[in-house]
Amino acid sequence: GQQVMQIPQYQHVQEGEDFTTYCNSSTTLSNIQWYKQRPGGHPVFLIQLVKSGEVKKQKRLTFQFGEAKKNSSLHITATQTTDVGTYFCAIYGQNFVFGPGTRLSVLP
Amino acid sequence: NAGVMQNPRHLVRRRGQEARLRCSPMKGHSHVYWYRQLPEEGLKFMVYLQKENIIDESGMPKERFSAEFPKEGPSILRIQQVVRGDSAAYFCASSPNRQETQYFGPGTRLLVL
Repeated sequence: GQQVMQIPQYQHVQEGEDFTTYCNSSTTLSNIQWYKQRPGGHPVFLIQLVKSGEVKKQKRLTFQFGEAKKNSSLHITATQTTDVGTYFCAIYGQNFVFGPGTRLSVLP
Repeated sequence: NAGVMQNPRHLVRRRGQEARLRCSPMKGHSHVYWYRQLPEEGLKFMVYLQKENIIDESGMPKERFSAEFPKEGPSILRIQQVVRGDSAAYFCASSPNRQETQYFGPGTRLLVL
C-alpha cells in the first residue's frame, strides 16, 4: 500500500530556534494534510495542501507542498514551548495513511 | 457543534474480557475512521465506515476485532478476548465526506492487565 516517510523522527530545539519536518512519498499525491498531537492528546488538523508548489502560513507555521506533489514540509519559526508535540503528515490513498510523525521537544 | 466524542476515555480489562469502544461523530458527519496508536508510535488505520456499512477494514486484525456504525447511535469498535498486546490508544475520527479533513475524538486508552 501507499506509504509516507517523515524525517526527522525526533527533534530537540532550544526555545526560539526554528524547526522543520519533512514528509516524502514515492507517488504523486492529490493532497496532503498536517496534524499536531500534543503529549497525551489527540491529533488536531492543521492544514491541507492541494496545489503544486503551494505555500500556506499560519502565524509562525509555514507549510509547503512540493512542485512534484511528492513531498511537503512544515516549518516553525522561533519555536515556543507550546509547539511541543508530534507533527504528522497524512496522505490519502486507499484510505488515510499517516506518517510516523516527528516528535518535537522545546527546551525553555 | 460538539466535537467527536469517545467513551470511555480510559478502559481497563483483564485478559480474555471484551472491550467496547464507542464513538459519536460530529453532527453531520457520516464517515467514521478508527485508528490504533501504540505509545510513542504513529497512527495505524484500522477501519473506515459509513452509516451501516464497512467500507474498508483492511487495517483491522481478522480475529477478535469488529466494528459497526449503525443507523442510529454511535460507532462501536469491539475487541473480544483481549490480550496484553491490545493495550493502546484507540482514536476515532469523522469527516463529512471521504478524503476530507478528519476530526479526531479524544481517544480511548485501553489497558489490558
